[in-house]
Amino acid sequence: GAGVSQSPSNKVTEKGKDVELRCDPISGHTALYWYRQSLGQGLEFLIYFQGNSAPDKSGLPSDRFSAERTGGSVSTLTIQRTQQEDSAVYLCASSLNSGGWLLNTEAFFGQGTRLTVV
Amino acid sequence: RKEVEQDPGPFNVPEGATVAFNCTYSNSASQSFFWYRQDCRKEPKLLMSVYSSGNEDGRFTAQLNRASQYISLLIRDSKLSDSATYLCVAVGTALIFGKGTTLSVSS
Repeated sequence: GAGVSQSPSNKVTEKGKDVELRCDPISGHTALYWYRQSLGQGLEFLIYFQGNSAPDKSGLPSDRFSAERTGGSVSTLTIQRTQQEDSAVYLCASSLNSGGWLLNTEAFFGQGTRLTVV
Repeated sequence: RKEVEQDPGPFNVPEGATVAFNCTYSNSASQSFFWYRQDCRKEPKLLMSVYSSGNEDGRFTAQLNRASQYISLLIRDSKLSDSATYLCVAVGTALIFGKGTTLSVSS
């Protein structure tokens, strides 16, 4: 497709289970971001991938959260031993990137995965 | 101090009003800034980029004040369809979003 695709769109899981969220970025976009948005709140930065560089993991809230990006394209965000406070919409975005600090191109978002931990 | 701060609002204005939102950022090294719009239960979408001294797009004007480290968004002649949450973004090593300002335009 032409846009950023995320799956699943909705996920209900039991507390303590592991979940994997998938993001297919726009073809050719080298930058990929994961954000989390709780109800009525802003976007919380989680992790950022840029090309083959080491990802910026500074936003991951705990070691239960991890992400990988295979072949510079598809990314998966994994949450282990889910907790109720993990319930949120997880948004993925991608952009063309000029590199370094100068990210001056538009980031396109997927429609998100709504995670509910019961 | 949070990296990007915005007044959460809500701003409730009548159609035709002019409304302004401010955003402050803490990282003086940030070079690029954006305003995104997010409709209820939808993903954010780019509204405007903000470069150097600012720019205008129709009813929307974005201004950047580097000395004071703030960005503003001015919406003139508000429409019902402008009702949304407006997110300020500062660029560092990633896109850092503010929590957003909610605008409600009523008839």
